[in-house]
Amino acid sequence: DGGITQSPKYLFRKEGQNVTLSCEQNLNHDAMYWYRQDPGQGLRLIYYSQIVNDFQKGDIAEGYSVSREKKESFPLTVTSAQKNPTAFYLCASSIDHEGVSYEQYFGPGTRLTVT
Amino acid sequence: AQSVAQPEDQVNVAEGNPLTVKCTYSVSGNPYLFWYVQYPNRGLQFLLKYITGDNLVKGSYGFEAEFNKSQTSFHLKKPSALVSDSALYFCAVRNSGGYQKVTFGTGTKLQVIP
Repeated sequence: DGGITQSPKYLFRKEGQNVTLSCEQNLNHDAMYWYRQDPGQGLRLIYYSQIVNDFQKGDIAEGYSVSREKKESFPLTVTSAQKNPTAFYLCASSIDHEGVSYEQYFGPGTRLTVT
Repeated sequence: AQSVAQPEDQVNVAEGNPLTVKCTYSVSGNPYLFWYVQYPNRGLQFLLKYITGDNLVKGSYGFEAEFNKSQTSFHLKKPSALVSDSALYFCAVRNSGGYQKVTFGTGTKLQVIP
């Protein structure tokens, strides 16, 4: 899992509550990503950030929000607007060399259960 | 739009036998291709990548992959499977031009039977 930490490993919330998932990296990587993993669907991109104070929506950004105030940190908030929030959430980072990002390094993931 | 297909949900192989996990892709321009492995309840680990150069790419844990441009494939291979290779394997692709998002396949579960 390299130098990326995600906390907590398991998270339980009641429907209607916002929840923030933590992601920190000490790899000095410029780019960071959030993915959602559901059985049989692979990984789907929620948000990504290439530099501090800038981020872009991915394929399934609705109901999620992010911030990138520091290079090392990229927290994800799952809002009450997300209709099916129960999933395994993965954070990743990559070197961004002259605008090109290569392989990604993943954190251990946070399993979120909303009831 | 770019896409990745992993046609087999599961591959079973006997320990010591060679293994192949298939991947085909569709992307405009030149592809960057990746293989990742995921153990239960863990994040993905990078195995290998094709950016340019030799079509046969060697990676971690004895794995290799062959880039075939005409067949738009990037199959993952290992000469002799270990029980510890049992895991979920993901193929991924992105376009080589500038920043482009990565598209992942749906994953193939590899089961190595003792």
